[in-house]
Order: sequence, then structure tokens, then C-alpha cells
Amino acid sequence: NAGVTQTPKFQVLKTGQSMTLQCAQDMNHEYMSWYRQDPGMGLRLIHYSVGAGITDQGEVPNGYNVSRSTTEDFPLRLLSAAPSQTSVYFCASSQGLGGGNEQFFGPGTRLTVL
Amino acid sequence: GENVGLHLPTLSVQEGDNSIINCAYSNSASDYFIWYKQESGKGPQFIIDIRSNMDKRQGQRVTVLLNKTVKHLSLQIAATQPGDSAVYFCAENGWVEYGNKLVFGAGTILRVKS
Repeated sequence: NAGVTQTPKFQVLKTGQSMTLQCAQDMNHEYMSWYRQDPGMGLRLIHYSVGAGITDQGEVPNGYNVSRSTTEDFPLRLLSAAPSQTSVYFCASSQGLGGGNEQFFGPGTRLTVL
Repeated sequence: GENVGLHLPTLSVQEGDNSIINCAYSNSASDYFIWYKQESGKGPQFIIDIRSNMDKRQGQRVTVLLNKTVKHLSLQIAATQPGDSAVYFCAENGWVEYGNKLVFGAGTILRVKS
């Protein structure tokens, strides 16, 4: 199993550009989520999905869209990039929600918005 | 290497010594706690977890202690090795404004001196 994969690993955008961060998992996990990690702060939940066709907002959803057309893929779309979205983005998956369901994280995408 | 947090507390220990990393959590109703390890340039990796009905749980070279009275969690690493150098952070599972979710702490940098 490859686990959770993310592409690209690094990305530089100009303000106003849009792009999609890709995330895929091959563990047949129902639950997938996107986090951002900023210096000195814990991971913050952007959006999550409890299964194909179902998505919901997390703590910091503004400026991001997600879709879940398949169990395997959970792309994160930046609609119009802003410097405040400079961050490291992690995708995670787990079999279910709550205690006892270990979240597996991808390697991250390092995004810089100029 | 890359630090995910520029202002995180740092613990420096000598190789072979025991390490104790502390975490204060905020929600007295949280029912599940996890410790993660994050090496430079990588995604978080699960270390050990504990449910709120337990005070202690042991793994291989690691022990997690939970003190619900003072909302404190600690991770003990026995015989610390250079490969243990990383950022360690705790997460608590509980109800927040956007659902029953994991809330992550900012982390502690562990540096192991050879």
C-alpha cells in the first residue's frame, strides 16, 4: 500500500491564481480530511469527508473547496490564492471517526503564495 | 532541517536518557488523546493513543500518562535515540463548533544530543 499520497510536494502561486492540491489513499478509508499547518500552530482542519459524495467544513474552510467523487481521492481547490494561504497542507485518512481510528497523514504540500 | 513551528518549546536530551514531553489540553469532555511525531519535511505519524477512561498506556519505548484532573497529557520516551529527534504534538478528540473532531496542539521540538 502507498498509504496517503499528495501532489505536488511544492508549489508557488501568485495572488489570485487557482490550483488543486491532490490527495489519494489506497486503504479504502471512508474518512478523509485536509489540514493546514502554520508556524507555531497546531494542525487546523479545513474540510473533511465521511464518504464519497459527502463533504463538510472544518475550522478554517474559507477560500477552499473540496469534492469527493470517489473513495480514493479528495482534492482541495484554492479558488483565488491569497498570501494568507501560504502554509503546509496535509491530507489524512482514517477508517472511521473518533477514538480508535488512527489517522494516516500524507507527506504534505508546501504552498507559497506571492 | 525544517521546523514546522518557529516558536515551539524545545526539549534537548542526551542520547540514552529518558524524555518527557508535556501537553495541556483544553476540553474536559475530550474522550480520546493521541501523540504524533513529525520529522522534518514529513507528515505526522501516529505514536500512541489513550482513551479518557485510562490513566496510562505503554507502547514500545513510549508511555502516555493522562491526568484528567489537571487536563494534562505526557509522553515518556525511554532511552531516547537520535532518530527520536522530531516535533511531537498531542491531539484531543472532542466536540468543537464544527463537530466531533481532533484538535491539535502546536507541538514540542525534541532534540537528541549524541
